[in-house]
Amino acid sequence: DAGVIQSPRHEVTEMGQEVTLRCKPISGHDYLFWYRQTMMRGLELLIYFNNNVPIDDSGMPEDRFSAKMPNASFSTLKIQPSEPRDSAVYFCASSPQTGSFYGYTFGSGTRLTVV
Amino acid sequence: GEDVEQSLFLSVREGDSSVINCTYTDSSSTYLYWYKQEPGAGLQLLTYIFSNMDMKQDQRLTVLLNKKDKHLSLRIADTQTGDSAIYFCAESSNRDDKIIFGKGTRLHILP
Repeated sequence: DAGVIQSPRHEVTEMGQEVTLRCKPISGHDYLFWYRQTMMRGLELLIYFNNNVPIDDSGMPEDRFSAKMPNASFSTLKIQPSEPRDSAVYFCASSPQTGSFYGYTFGSGTRLTVV
Repeated sequence: GEDVEQSLFLSVREGDSSVINCTYTDSSSTYLYWYKQEPGAGLQLLTYIFSNMDMKQDQRLTVLLNKKDKHLSLRIADTQTGDSAIYFCAESSNRDDKIIFGKGTRLHILP
């Protein structure tokens, strides 16, 4: 398996523009998680899905952020409009089950810079 | 909410042992994990320990769990330059689907 695949690896955009981050989880993994990593706040859970259904979006910072999972093999995280404070590394992770030794498998991340 | 705490930095000489410590608050933890993040990469699961164990060894890695004190440690024997990374302590419970991560310990290897 190719692992969790995220695209793009790097994104530079201007303030006010829409940004879409993409994730392909590992086949057979029923759980998908979106995280944001910054030096100041560390790793923050934004939202997670189980069987394509959003379960907990309490970590989404504000209405500018939205996430979808239209099918088991694809998810998007959208920021509209983007702001400089959204600059961070965004990770997608997937897992076949939770509360187990599997833990999560992380993608390589998307480094977002908003100027 | 539940919390995981770890020191932010550790410097160790090449060839010495590294010990990274972590404390957590969740009394219902079932699994505890150590993840490694190399520059420009995602987090990679290094090892895990089930909450009814107190030690697990895997080659150069030794995990110690003191459940009474809610203290977890990761010992890396014969530390090498390739061990330079950020190490995250994390825990999960049967209460929900989430893994709670610490802020990570940056391990720096001195020549």
